[in-house]
Amino acid sequence: QKEVEQDPGPLSVPEGAIVSLNCTYSNSAFQYFMWYRQYSRKGPELLMYTYSSGNKEDGRFTAQVDKSSKYISLFIRDSQPSDSATYLCAMGHWSSGTYKYIFGTGTRLKVLA
Amino acid sequence: EAQVTQNPRYLITVTGKKLTVTCSQNMNHEYMSWYRQDPGLGLRQIYYSMNVEVTDKGDVPEGYKVSRKEKRNFPLILESPSPNQTSLYFCASSLRGEQGEKLFFGSGTQLSVL
Repeated sequence: QKEVEQDPGPLSVPEGAIVSLNCTYSNSAFQYFMWYRQYSRKGPELLMYTYSSGNKEDGRFTAQVDKSSKYISLFIRDSQPSDSATYLCAMGHWSSGTYKYIFGTGTRLKVLA
Repeated sequence: EAQVTQNPRYLITVTGKKLTVTCSQNMNHEYMSWYRQDPGLGLRQIYYSMNVEVTDKGDVPEGYKVSRKEKRNFPLILESPSPNQTSLYFCASSLRGEQGEKLFFGSGTQLSVL
């Protein structure tokens, strides 16, 4: 079993839809949870960062962490064609004097105009 | 503009021919790292650096070298590339605080080793 599991998609939705992207994990030591957006031929761009459990909202994006279920989600409201990209989840913890991160393999999202 | 700059963007080489991928950041971050991205495997850390002259292995360091002689630069060196090092490489610099670390990535270097 991988430490982080993420459905690769592709996920196709119409413009304006609410999108839900999810990751599950197995390591209960993870404390830092991130979502990155990666456009084709570009580097990952940090979208949302959450420390510990709870929700965090930034504009149309909401990140949710449920540590008891080892499950994180990213919600995109009023999705736009410009949101079409691959979304990577990442989780981290402090270990041996540094932060250790595990990245999901990414979910490809297509928002249709 | 705050950024991490990698060069080259694309590189095709042959087995055994030494190469260097450069990385530079203008955010004055102490921490820098290199990742490779392969289909189905996600991003995996190769090496990281906590400051000038301080580097350590990540999860997949075999076949790679790094150096950190200046704070802004963190080149990745492949002394004798092999086909299994064909991959998409990302340099990152990071901002660390009490509540963790935020990674900022470059645009990537697509390497093909024939």
